[in-house]
Amino acid sequence: SQKIEQNSEALNIQEGKTATLTCNYTNYSPAYLQWYRQDPGRGPVFLLLIRENEKEKRKERLKVTFDTTLKQSLFHITASQPADSATYLCALDQSNTGKLIFGQGTTLQVKP
Amino acid sequence: DSGVTQTPKHLITATGQRVTLRCSPRSGDLSVYWYQQSLDQGLQFLIQYYNGEERAKGNILERFSAQQFPDLHSELNLSSLELGDSALYFCASSVARHRGFTDTQYFGPGTRLTVL
Repeated sequence: SQKIEQNSEALNIQEGKTATLTCNYTNYSPAYLQWYRQDPGRGPVFLLLIRENEKEKRKERLKVTFDTTLKQSLFHITASQPADSATYLCALDQSNTGKLIFGQGTTLQVKP
Repeated sequence: DSGVTQTPKHLITATGQRVTLRCSPRSGDLSVYWYQQSLDQGLQFLIQYYNGEERAKGNILERFSAQQFPDLHSELNLSSLELGDSALYFCASSVARHRGFTDTQYFGPGTRLTVL
C-alpha cells in the first residue's frame, strides 16, 4: 500500500544548529514533493516545492533534497532559531489525480 | 495571511446534526480543496473542486458533501454528525491551471468542529 512516513518523534535541537527532517515514501511515483510548515491550530503554510528531476532546492536557510531512487526527501533548516519551532509536513502529488497526500508531520523544537 | 478565508472559526454541535462550513479561495484561484485534520489521522484530503466541478475525491464519507459555486466559494456539508467527526477542517486553494496538476496550495485558518 502507499505510505508517506515522517519521523513521528519530535526533533529537539539547539539554536544555531542544523535541523534535518526526513520524508520517506513507498509505492508512489510523485512528479514533485512539497514541504509545508504548520503551527498549532493554524493552516499549513507552503515552504518549498522540488520536482522529480531536481536533486536540491534552496530558499534562504531552507534546503530540500529529493532522491527518487531512495524514495526520500530531506528537509534542512540551517542556523535554526526558536521561531522555526513548528510541525513540518511533506506532501506528494498523486500523479494526474489532483490529490496532494500529506505525511503525518515532524514536530521541531528549537531551544535557545 | 494566505488570502483564503473560512467561516466559522469554531463550531460546536450535537451528534446527529448537520453543519455547513464555508470557504472563499484566494483571488484568481480556481481550485478549492477540503481537508480534515484530527490528532490521530493527520491531514486527510477529502475533495477538490475546480471551477465549479468536482475534480478529485479522497476518503470523503457519504455523509459529507461539498460544492463550489459560480463565484468560486465552496461549502462543505457534514450531516448525521458523529463524535469522531470532531476535527479541524481546512480549505485550501490553488491556481491548478492544468487538469491533474497539483500545484502549491494556500490554506485557510480552518474551522474547528466539536461534536458533543
